[in-house]
Amino acid sequence: AQKVTQAQTEISVVEKEDVTLDCVYETRDTTYYLFWYKQPPSGELVFLIRRNSFDEQNEISGRYSWNFQKSTSSFNFTITASQVVDSAVYFCALKTTNTGNQFYFGTGTSLTVIP
Amino acid sequence: NAGVMQNPRHLVRRRGQEARLRCSPMKGHSHVYWYRQLPEEGLKFMVYLQKENIIDESGMPKERFSAEFPKEGPSILRIQQVVRGDSAAYFCASSPVGGADYGYTFGSGTRLTVV
Repeated sequence: AQKVTQAQTEISVVEKEDVTLDCVYETRDTTYYLFWYKQPPSGELVFLIRRNSFDEQNEISGRYSWNFQKSTSSFNFTITASQVVDSAVYFCALKTTNTGNQFYFGTGTSLTVIP
Repeated sequence: NAGVMQNPRHLVRRRGQEARLRCSPMKGHSHVYWYRQLPEEGLKFMVYLQKENIIDESGMPKERFSAEFPKEGPSILRIQQVVRGDSAAYFCASSPVGGADYGYTFGSGTRLTVV
């Protein structure tokens, strides 16, 4: 069975602080893909990053960075020097090659950045 | 270069009425997916369609829900005899052939409220 767990339901930080959003996944498949999506207050879903199971390199994009560790089945997301515009719900998702085109989403982490 | 278009953005229905949600995929995308987001929850897969074919409907409730993606026109998610528990955000996503591994493009969602 496939499962994504985002244990942090809500996080509040003060602007300019760093914050890490946790994502733990479960799958028995050896080939899979992990994603992060952002859902701002306006409600749409914005793609942030994709990572496949064979690429454990960490990635940095501006203030965003992702730490993929297969040993702990985690794909954590860090925002450096947070800004008010980062306030949103962030979803981690999993897709495997043996489950068709279905994505498995975590329940999301609601991030509030306080000015 | 329009993205995935969903309409309406908001839909209010009385219990027992029918709800029709529309989704036009991104240009060049032939695969459509519907997900439901219940309050305080992550997105749950409902159905995956290609033109004139339902590929995977494992997430669709057995009764009252149906989906189609005709040769011409948008994909339609139809909910008959709506109940309060159907109140949710319904998201449509699309991908090109073989493209789901790279992540979906989501629409802005339809917020259904059943009163």
